[in-house]
Amino acid sequence: GAVVSQHPSWVICKSGTSVKIECRSLDFQATTMFWYRQFPKQSLMLMATSNEGSKATYEQGVEKDKFLINHASLTLSTLTVTSAHPEDSSFYICSARGRDRPGEGYTFGSGTRLTVV
Amino acid sequence: AQSVTQPDIHITVSEGASLELRCNYSYGATPYLFWYVQSPGQGLQLLLKYFSGDTLVQGIKGFEAEFKRSQSSFNLRKPSVHWSDAAEYFCAVGEGSYDKLIFGTGTRLQVFP
Repeated sequence: GAVVSQHPSWVICKSGTSVKIECRSLDFQATTMFWYRQFPKQSLMLMATSNEGSKATYEQGVEKDKFLINHASLTLSTLTVTSAHPEDSSFYICSARGRDRPGEGYTFGSGTRLTVV
Repeated sequence: AQSVTQPDIHITVSEGASLELRCNYSYGATPYLFWYVQSPGQGLQLLLKYFSGDTLVQGIKGFEAEFKRSQSSFNLRKPSVHWSDAAEYFCAVGEGSYDKLIFGTGTRLQVFP
């Protein structure tokens, strides 16, 4: 089945530093990737949608300069949290959809727990 | 705008009992509907999905869901719950050509032996 690998699974960083999270589709070409943020015991909130080779589309209220998304290839998308602050601490999850998997829905990564201290 | 409502925040059942998790959606056209399960600290696993056709959908782990257009519902059911089913369950609707998913607030399932 389709697999999406997300790394790291957890990361602790100091306030003011940047953190990069990777999301890879291992056995299919992900034409579209989605990045979600999940607060404890809450639902997933879509942050942005990225299509390979084009700029990401951010949801309302998401700071594009803080959350940089790159989708440079059909198998890799990255989310960089720039100048991280404690309020950015959260669980981040990516999801991928492939052109060769119509009707199959989305495949989710295992998530990244970010803690900013 | 599309929205998904899961009225039950927390449900507790005994192992072996039947289960029904409720999901209501708001969407103008025929929706694409999904149920996902999330274990603590993990990503989401697809249980089942509805795009069209038979309104009773079978999924993995013995789950099924029924799409009822008249009630704008897509409730998840399982005849006999196992302790390993304890997790968070999310209903989601695909927007437009299912370019993005809108999630409900989730239902946390606890299973007692």
